[in-house]
Amino acid sequence: QVLLVQSGAEVRKPGASVKVSCKASGYTFSDYYIHWVRQAPGQGLEWVGIINPNGGRTGNARRFQGRVTMTRDTSTSTVYMELSSLTSQDTAVYYCARSHKPGYSSGWSTYWGQGTLVAVSS
Amino acid sequence: SFVLTQPPSVSVAPGQTARIACGGNKIGSKSVHWYQQKPGQAPILVVHDDSDRPSGIPERFSGSNSGNTATLTISRVEVGDEADYYCQVWDSDNDLNWVFGGGTKLTVL
Repeated sequence: QVLLVQSGAEVRKPGASVKVSCKASGYTFSDYYIHWVRQAPGQGLEWVGIINPNGGRTGNARRFQGRVTMTRDTSTSTVYMELSSLTSQDTAVYYCARSHKPGYSSGWSTYWGQGTLVAVSS
Repeated sequence: SFVLTQPPSVSVAPGQTARIACGGNKIGSKSVHWYQQKPGQAPILVVHDDSDRPSGIPERFSGSNSGNTATLTISRVEVGDEADYYCQVWDSDNDLNWVFGGGTKLTVL
């Protein structure tokens, strides 16, 4: 079955960086885009960015431009999302989610990771 | 970028019908997807492409989309349907971009 398993919770100080991983299994890793979505405490869902595991092309929401880096390791079927220059506003649960169709960056997601809490506090 | 507007809350009694709106400029020209999220859990897709249900989602969940409003309808609401619901589209004007509505808290009275 399709599984996305994310790394554990992280605590960082303002100005630091954090790298969250999402390990995929149960399907051909390079066939499906992976999206990153975050949710601040008590708030709604916010799209962060996307990576195509086939080739590594990425895209991100404008508000994260210059601060977010998404990479992948095809040997371990894992994608990574690194966010730098953290502030308290970045405190959130970060989810990875697989695109619904091979080769499609649009559409929706049926498969989500369990979420990773990133807490930013001095 | 494309903006989706949802009411913050909707309340309904068990057995009644809940309708959750998602507004956006000419949203009827886009495909709208809906997620259910319960506290501490990842979102679950309940409707995709305006009105299609994934396998395992009860027929009580349905959707429509026309003009400037998409609607998620939950018939014969159950206590277990209490959750936050989010609409989502792909913003084709911004490459590779998902957009979410602000979410609606469904309370079952």
